Amino acid sequence: EPEVTQTPSHQVTQMGQEVILRCVPISNHLYFYWYRQILGQKVEFLVSFYNNEISEKSEIFDDQFSVERPDGSNFTLKIRSTKLEDSAMYFCASRTLITSSNQPQHFGDGTRLSIL
Amino acid sequence: GQQLNQSPQSMFIQEGEDVSMNCTSSSIFNTWLWYKQDPGEGPVLLIALYKAGELTSNGRLTAQFGITRKDSFLNISASIPSDVGIYFCAGTNSGGGADGLTFGKGTHLIIQP
Repeated sequence: EPEVTQTPSHQVTQMGQEVILRCVPISNHLYFYWYRQILGQKVEFLVSFYNNEISEKSEIFDDQFSVERPDGSNFTLKIRSTKLEDSAMYFCASRTLITSSNQPQHFGDGTRLSIL
Repeated sequence: GQQLNQSPQSMFIQEGEDVSMNCTSSSIFNTWLWYKQDPGEGPVLLIALYKAGELTSNGRLTAQFGITRKDSFLNISASIPSDVGIYFCAGTNSGGGADGLTFGKGTHLIIQP
């Protein structure tokens, strides 16, 4: 069964550094998402992306965050000048577009980001 | 923002017992989803619900979309050890791509031997 794949599985970064988290969505999917999950807490929506632009973002997704689809397969989340509180699991999700029916989001296994 | 109240927070049950958990919201969703998360992994979709009143099964799992569109429940029958994990409900008002999911805080299911 097709999967959303994320790399790396664990990223350790010094506070203040930039980090890029990578995702390869399922190949025929057109909607892409990033979520984060702070240890022991619920999953929180960050941003959705469709047709090469952001379609929705949460209040968490401030100016230090950006997303990009640099080619036909990758979807990236960049965090500029990381802070200690950015430490979390970051999940990528994707879903297909079928106009006659709703389709659910499928998640990758996440990247654990640790800020030192 | 929208909040989902998920209960119970945790459940300690014996293998073979049935399980029931639910989610309520102060606002309406047009889609309810149930996910399971195992340690170190991402949420895995269990059941998706798109119509108020809809009752859907997936093996031993059954979920319903409340008629008011503000609640949903998930039942697991005859629990087995691999059912252990965290179950999340999620709601969204899908359409046009503006469909970020709002998650509940999860129900930890623990099965005692």
